[in-house]
Amino acid sequence: QQPVQSPQAVILREGEDAVINCSSSKALYSVHWYRQKHGEAPVFLMILLKGGEQKGHEKISASFNEKKQQSSLYLTASQLSYSGTYFCGTESVEGGGADGLTFGKGTHLIIQP
Amino acid sequence: SAVISQKPSRDICQRGTSLTIQCQVDSQVTMMFWYRQQPGQSLTLIATANQGSEATYESGFVIDKFPISRPNLTFSTLTVSNMSPEDSSIYLCSVVALLPPQYFGPGTRLTVL
Repeated sequence: QQPVQSPQAVILREGEDAVINCSSSKALYSVHWYRQKHGEAPVFLMILLKGGEQKGHEKISASFNEKKQQSSLYLTASQLSYSGTYFCGTESVEGGGADGLTFGKGTHLIIQP
Repeated sequence: SAVISQKPSRDICQRGTSLTIQCQVDSQVTMMFWYRQQPGQSLTLIATANQGSEATYESGFVIDKFPISRPNLTFSTLTVSNMSPEDSSIYLCSVVALLPPQYFGPGTRLTVL
């Protein structure tokens, strides 16, 4: 079952913050986050493997609430380079980490100067 | 992370023909997957490429239409058979080295006329 991402799109001024959410109806083993720019392949941002885990990468961080089957991606003090489409990809508990990913529909992020 | 290459990077094909896409990794990987990304859409898992055995296909994808080979731990091919305009997409391979996450190749942009 495809995870649900929200919002579908967001427009920010440079320096503003954004939160992108990813919800699943199935129990999750992991959540992967990717950013894709037009005409390019998805670029890996981070993976969350444990319930309640939170990871950070420069000004981008994420959380994973295993009980709620939700993950959120936090973009702090956004930069122009953050523009693109953000996808969450999920693995179910049944797959045990050996499955391919099921992706949400994506969130289009536009950063304006 | 592993360096992944795909050939061809793009192609324009006639209806009814077949195209074989190659995915080459510069180091041995445990898992290889094939995804499709239709224009403006999210990524959809086609199949898991299993080394030395038949690929594992997701619902809606069949071996006759998308035959996959994986002769070793660094190489896989996906063939798109008897193509129609609806097969116009970006086809991406992804790999897992020893542990997650999945990393994507640059993709093959296919246009079917």
